[in-house]
Amino acid sequence: DIQMTQSPSSLSASVGDRVTITCQASQDISNYLNWYQQKPGKAPKLLIYDASNLETGVPSRFSGSGSGTDFTFTISSLQPEDIATYYCQQYDNLPSWTFGQGTKVEIK
Amino acid sequence: EVQLVQSGAEVKKPGESLKISCKGSGYSFTSYWIGWVRQMPGKGLEWMGIIYPGDSDTRYSPSFQGQVTISADKSISTAYLQWSSLKASDTAMYYCVRPRVGATFDYWGQGTLVTVSS
Repeated sequence: DIQMTQSPSSLSASVGDRVTITCQASQDISNYLNWYQQKPGKAPKLLIYDASNLETGVPSRFSGSGSGTDFTFTISSLQPEDIATYYCQQYDNLPSWTFGQGTKVEIK
Repeated sequence: EVQLVQSGAEVKKPGESLKISCKGSGYSFTSYWIGWVRQMPGKGLEWMGIIYPGDSDTRYSPSFQGQVTISADKSISTAYLQWSSLKASDTAMYYCVRPRVGATFDYWGQGTLVTVSS
């Protein structure tokens, strides 16, 4: 199985800060990686697909990059409404799709 | 508008069986895969498995193979997740998901909370 190592597990930043989350795959997954946002008590929401494509309607302060084994998710200017847990997800080969462990983002 | 509407919360005892549902609307139910994701209390997301209602092709995550059964009734545009004998460790929120392509889950159900307790 492909393992996804997501870091950090939590972070605290100020409004307006640049926030970066990384996800490392245990083997090459090309660009088969998505990023989701989950707010407390809600279902997750797709933000970035295929490593770097912004989902329709998602603010442009969110972005993703990377390919192969190393991926990065960035919030260019943290806003209060961005408080959530963020997950990466690889889908290189069915049925062994996996999510990262999640990163909880809080406001300092 | 695409919608996935899940059945309500369940409280069960260990050893009991359960079948929860997810009704799709606003799209061609037989043309898209539909899957299930588990979230245990305070924990992360775990992908469980997926079914193609058009031909009932079903794939399971190795972690869930043999533990649950995924099915679908295309006549009523509904997918199911079932257990034959629940354990306390099955206590979790379960989401149905519809991938646009691959595992890009662009639509999620509202979640069904399953509580298993004696």
